[in-house]
Amino acid sequence: NAGVTQTPKFRILKIGQSMTLQCTQDMNHNYMYWYRQDPGMGLKLIYYSVGAGITDKGEVPNGYNVSRSTTEDFPLRLELAAPSQTSVYFCASSFLDRDDNEKLFFGSGTQLSVL
Amino acid sequence: GDSVTQMEGPVTLSEEACLTINCTYTATGYPSLFWYVQYPGEGLQLLLKATKADDKGSNKGFEATYRKETTSFHLEKGSVQVSDSAVYFCALSDLGQGAQKLVFGQGTRLTINP
Repeated sequence: NAGVTQTPKFRILKIGQSMTLQCTQDMNHNYMYWYRQDPGMGLKLIYYSVGAGITDKGEVPNGYNVSRSTTEDFPLRLELAAPSQTSVYFCASSFLDRDDNEKLFFGSGTQLSVL
Repeated sequence: GDSVTQMEGPVTLSEEACLTINCTYTATGYPSLFWYVQYPGEGLQLLLKATKADDKGSNKGFEATYRKETTSFHLEKGSVQVSDSAVYFCALSDLGQGAQKLVFGQGTRLTINP
């Protein structure tokens, strides 16, 4: 029962490097999300997807890209890492229950430092 | 825009103490209110929620009441345990909107000492 799996858990990048944060879920959820959490701040939505092939920007999309080629996977790409992208990144997926309530499941997070 | 403000942490208590973590919000509509909890090494998970004024959400001994007049949703527990040590997030979302509309507070780290 894996749920939402994020890799890596920790990463240090140099300014200008690129990397992909992986997120996969095994619950067949249509909705997936990427959030970032800066120290002392709430989670902010970066991008989200309502199904394979469909993505949309959240509140803080600049400097990031996403793709959703399958229902299971929702990778987040940083092309030119900047110190402002130092943060903890959370992936989440969700489904609607029989009462149309959204049930959200989070991964355990990726701590990224850009130096 | 909508916002959520939580009590500053970290909070440290002894086992069996009473807990209150304050949460206030500003919103233009009539939001649903949530408390999420993140245990060490795990992702956030929903603790409880309330969808309208005067509703009380409860789970695992925690309670929170939706107070429209004071725009608050304080988290309370009468007797905390070491296993309650975690980070707690208050959040809101417009009724009927998806998680893409969730607005989170900054989180409050709670440590319970035996």
